[in-house]
Amino acid sequence: QSALTQPASVSGSPGQSITISCTGTSSDVGGYNYVSWYQQHPGKVPKLMIYDVTKRPSGVSDRFSGSKSGNTASLTISGLQAEDEADYYCSSYTSTSTFVFGTGTKVTVL
Amino acid sequence: QVQLVESGGGVVQPGRSLRLSCAASGFTFTSYALHWVRQAPGKGLEWVAVVSIDGSRTHYADSVEGRFTISRDNSDNTFYLQMNSLRAEDTAVYYCAREGSGSSWSSFDYWGQGTLVTVSS
Repeated sequence: QSALTQPASVSGSPGQSITISCTGTSSDVGGYNYVSWYQQHPGKVPKLMIYDVTKRPSGVSDRFSGSKSGNTASLTISGLQAEDEADYYCSSYTSTSTFVFGTGTKVTVL
Repeated sequence: QVQLVESGGGVVQPGRSLRLSCAASGFTFTSYALHWVRQAPGKGLEWVAVVSIDGSRTHYADSVEGRFTISRDNSDNTFYLQMNSLRAEDTAVYYCAREGSGSSWSSFDYWGQGTLVTVSS
């Protein structure tokens, strides 16, 4: 159950688009369409932003979108806003009926 | 509205046990699998365990397998994490979370506020 690999940090200016990658294996990310993404502001509870690779829960801005290619999933934030500055984690279901999170990415709005 | 409220955290000595509870409300409890997720101070998220709708299926992270037990009481809308043989590395905020899918296991759509467990002598 090794953690999925994410970049430690990503930054962008307001209005720009950024993409966070999440790399796993064929036993997790590549094997199932059960990748999800979470936003966590400092001291706060994680919030579901994307589930089942591409789906957005009700109430989540359409500036957030997800995709997957092979063993790598991605979260794109379009029209970056100051409120998007937070930590982001990916997660995937695995072949052993468990889950694994990514290492986390700190998003900074310049 | 969906609410998940954890309790049972605290300071415990290495090797001792602790039981966390998560009281759920605002949804049909028996229609969702349930998870525990933890976060060590200053660290990332780590999935801990899941229990199926009827409690018949449970799965654990390798780091807690054999020491932790997840269970649920469908008559009381509460689920639990029994933690035995605690280690310093189990120190974390423990979150209970609802499975986001009713038909499969895919994500965590609602989270509790978390309860801090500190393992220290």
